[in-house]
Amino acid sequence: EAGVAQSPRYKIIEKRQSVAFWCNPISGHATLYWYQQILGQGPKLLIQFQNNGVVDDSQLPKDRFSAERLKGVDSTLKIQPAKLEDSAVYLCASSSKTGTGEEKLFFGSGTQLSVL
Amino acid sequence: DAKTTQPPSMDCAEGRAANLPCNHSTISGNEYVYWYRQIHSQGPQYIIHGLKNNETNEMASLIITEDRKSSTLILPHATLRDTAVYYCIVRVWGGSEKLVFGKGTKLTVNP
Repeated sequence: EAGVAQSPRYKIIEKRQSVAFWCNPISGHATLYWYQQILGQGPKLLIQFQNNGVVDDSQLPKDRFSAERLKGVDSTLKIQPAKLEDSAVYLCASSSKTGTGEEKLFFGSGTQLSVL
Repeated sequence: DAKTTQPPSMDCAEGRAANLPCNHSTISGNEYVYWYRQIHSQGPQYIIHGLKNNETNEMASLIITEDRKSSTLILPHATLRDTAVYYCIVRVWGGSEKLVFGKGTKLTVNP
């Protein structure tokens, strides 16, 4: 079974530039998450999609971050303009719930962003 | 904020059991304990979860105290590949509550 695919693996940009990350979840997974992980910390949820609708984006800095999940499959996360503090690993995860509510998240390897 | 407390780091000798503790003294009756681990340069990986009974799978065992205020993840025969950050998380089963990661425990398995 193919895992969660993310690209690019690494990205280096200057502050005030824009950047986009792409995620392809596991086939059939209805729920997709974007997490931000700053060095030395645990992942922090940015946004959660259920199919192509947003379930939770309370921690997404909406003045500069945006995300979409067209057709309920692939997703893109964009930052415009980037700030130095956006340097982090951006992780995408997907999951599907069984009829009993069991949910396991499957993560991609992430995109490491460096903002100079 | 994370609802769990874990030691920042632990060491274990290869081939020995690794016992990773987690305190979750404010856990609610309908909250499950999940464990994930993150190997360097990879995304987190699900290990195991439980409610109140002890659980075992091919990766690990989970021991939850009777009062459910703490738990221990056991890797019975640690290998060098088990070196990772281990996250203990409490979450309502099937709920929409987001999965909140703390800083976890950095486990180093030494040869």
